[in-house]
Amino acid sequence: EAAVTQSPRNKVAVTGGKVTLSCNQTNNHNNMYWYRQDTGHGLRLIHYSYGAGSTEKGDIPDGYKASRPSQENFSLILELATPSQTSVYFCASGDGDWGDAEQFFGPGTRLTVL
Amino acid sequence: GDSVTQTEGLVTLTEGLPVMLNCTYQTIYSNPFLFWYVQHLNESPRLLLKSFTDNKRTEHQGFHATLHKSSSSFHLQKSSAQLSDSALYYCALSDRNNAGAKLTFGGGTRLTVRP
Repeated sequence: EAAVTQSPRNKVAVTGGKVTLSCNQTNNHNNMYWYRQDTGHGLRLIHYSYGAGSTEKGDIPDGYKASRPSQENFSLILELATPSQTSVYFCASGDGDWGDAEQFFGPGTRLTVL
Repeated sequence: GDSVTQTEGLVTLTEGLPVMLNCTYQTIYSNPFLFWYVQHLNESPRLLLKSFTDNKRTEHQGFHATLHKSSSSFHLQKSSAQLSDSALYYCALSDRNNAGAKLTFGGGTRLTVRP
């Protein structure tokens, strides 16, 4: 069954440290997305990608970088983690290239920055 | 830019009563796609239903919603709440011609159904 997986599932980091969140999809979807989920803010788009080698800024990209080395993999990088980046992060892949596409979410990564 | 508003952050209902979760949106595009995603406790969001057609009722798993472009609304309804409906519900917006198929999500409504 097609799936989106994320690693790690839980992460505790120190302020100023580097954090890499990884996402793998077996859906063979072109588009992939990184969101953070915070109570009251819903899901907010950080970065997205149209395919291998591409990354685009979403609505809240500051403090985050992304990397899409292959169709299957999409990473989110926090070069200098801050406590304000404590959140739950979801990766998703999309089953189409246009507005009616369904997005399939991974299980999420809970990140705590101390 | 685009925005989605879900006015109720928390909704608590008794089992058997009707459900209505509000969703309104703002967009510059004339062909919006509206979605409802549902997230149960300790799970990830998944699509519940979506619509593109103005004034047409869309149904899935007992829930229904109608896109009304005149009022920029896409409220989620169900005739009779079940305990298993307790979850976080997100309304989301995209555009027909949105390359990359990005979604703009509302803040979410947490529905709790009590016995």
